[in-house]
Amino acid sequence: DIQMTQSPSTLSASVGDRVTITCRASQSISSWLAWYQQKPGKAPNLLIYQASSLQSGVPSRFSGSGSGTEFTLTISSLQPDDFATYYCQQYNSYGYTFGQGTKLEIK
Amino acid sequence: QVQLVESGGGVVQPGRSLRLSCAASGFTFSSYGMHWVRQAPGKGLEWVAVIWYDGINKYYADSVKGRFAISRDNSDNTFFLQMNSLRVEDTAVYYCARETQSSGWLPTRGYYYYAMDVWGQGTTVTVSS
Repeated sequence: DIQMTQSPSTLSASVGDRVTITCRASQSISSWLAWYQQKPGKAPNLLIYQASSLQSGVPSRFSGSGSGTEFTLTISSLQPDDFATYYCQQYNSYGYTFGQGTKLEIK
Repeated sequence: QVQLVESGGGVVQPGRSLRLSCAASGFTFSSYGMHWVRQAPGKGLEWVAVIWYDGINKYYADSVKGRFAISRDNSDNTFFLQMNSLRVEDTAVYYCARETQSSGWLPTRGYYYYAMDVWGQGTTVTVSS
């Protein structure tokens, strides 16, 4: 299976900050990458698909980039609602695999 | 509205079986591939299985292959996860999820896949003696 590695595992930031999370794949996945946000006790929520396409209803402060093996999720100006855990996921092939998650905490 | 609702979770002893269900509403269920994803307590997300829109193509994570079986009933807008020979390490919240579009295969393109845009609220499975 393709391994997905996120960094950092934890990120402390303040409201209004610009933050970036990185996801690396163990082999090329073209642009078949998604980003999800998960809050405690809730299901994941799709933010970005195909590496850079914004899911309907997701605020434009979220953006994704990358292709091949290196990808980034950027939040341009953190809002209080954004403090959560973020996961990348490859869908280049079965079995789908997720990164280990990045917990975004309030500084 | 578009919705997925899981049921069937519970506490079960190692080696026993459990069947999860996921009821879909608000969309044309028979047109979408459907997935199970799980999350062990305090851990990250793990993809478990997928069944294509046609109910014929099914794929599993290595960790559950041969023990779990995914199926669907397009006439009832429901799909299932039959879990046999359960292990302590299968303890998790199990989510059902819909693909944004239907995965498939074309001779000119090969296999193609999609992300998951609609998720259920999760059902908890605890395997313990």
